[in-house]
Amino acid sequence: RKEVEQDPGPFNVPEGATVAFNCTYSNSASQSFFWYRQDCRKEPKLLMSVYSSGNEDGRFTAQLNRASQYISLLIRDSKLSDSATYLCVVTISSNTGKLIFGQGTTLQVKP
Amino acid sequence: DTAVSQTPKYLVTQMGNDKSIKCEQNLGHDTMYWYKQDSKKFLKIMFSYNNKELIINETVPNRFSPKSPDKAHLNLHINSLELGDSAVYFCASSLPGQRNEKLFFGSGTQLSVL
Repeated sequence: RKEVEQDPGPFNVPEGATVAFNCTYSNSASQSFFWYRQDCRKEPKLLMSVYSSGNEDGRFTAQLNRASQYISLLIRDSKLSDSATYLCVVTISSNTGKLIFGQGTTLQVKP
Repeated sequence: DTAVSQTPKYLVTQMGNDKSIKCEQNLGHDTMYWYKQDSKKFLKIMFSYNNKELIINETVPNRFSPKSPDKAHLNLHINSLELGDSAVYFCASSLPGQRNEKLFFGSGTQLSVL
């Protein structure tokens, strides 16, 4: 079983749609959780951290369910510019700096 | 202006050759990393250095040797290149004291071994 699993997609949605991505992780000792965004042929960039209480940044909402070892990302009112691959990222220890990346979920927003 | 810069951007070479990828960051970060992204898009950590000291060394063939002359540089040397080494290699650095928070990635080096 992969340490971090995501549905690779692609998810094809029209502009303005709401879309949700899920991610599961296998290690119950995981401590920190993030969503990164990677545009085609570019480097990954941090989109947002995921906190236990859930957090929101504009049109983006991240949720964490430790009991189910599950993370989600919700994007409201999708824009063309949201088209990218969204990477779920987990860390086990706060001291090693070792981030474990999921395969990513590809989103294509169509006009 | 570039925060994390790596060179070259593209590297095409023959099997058996030795090549290096250079990485430099001007953010003042203590920790630097090498990640490999294969054709299936999985990003996997290879090495991590903190202030020139190796702290993470994943199961990577001995043909890969990182070198950190100072905390702003982390180079990757690869000996006897194989077809399976073809991938995109990303250098990254992170904020002091917050190794698990924001990683700043370089733009990647696409390595093609023929």
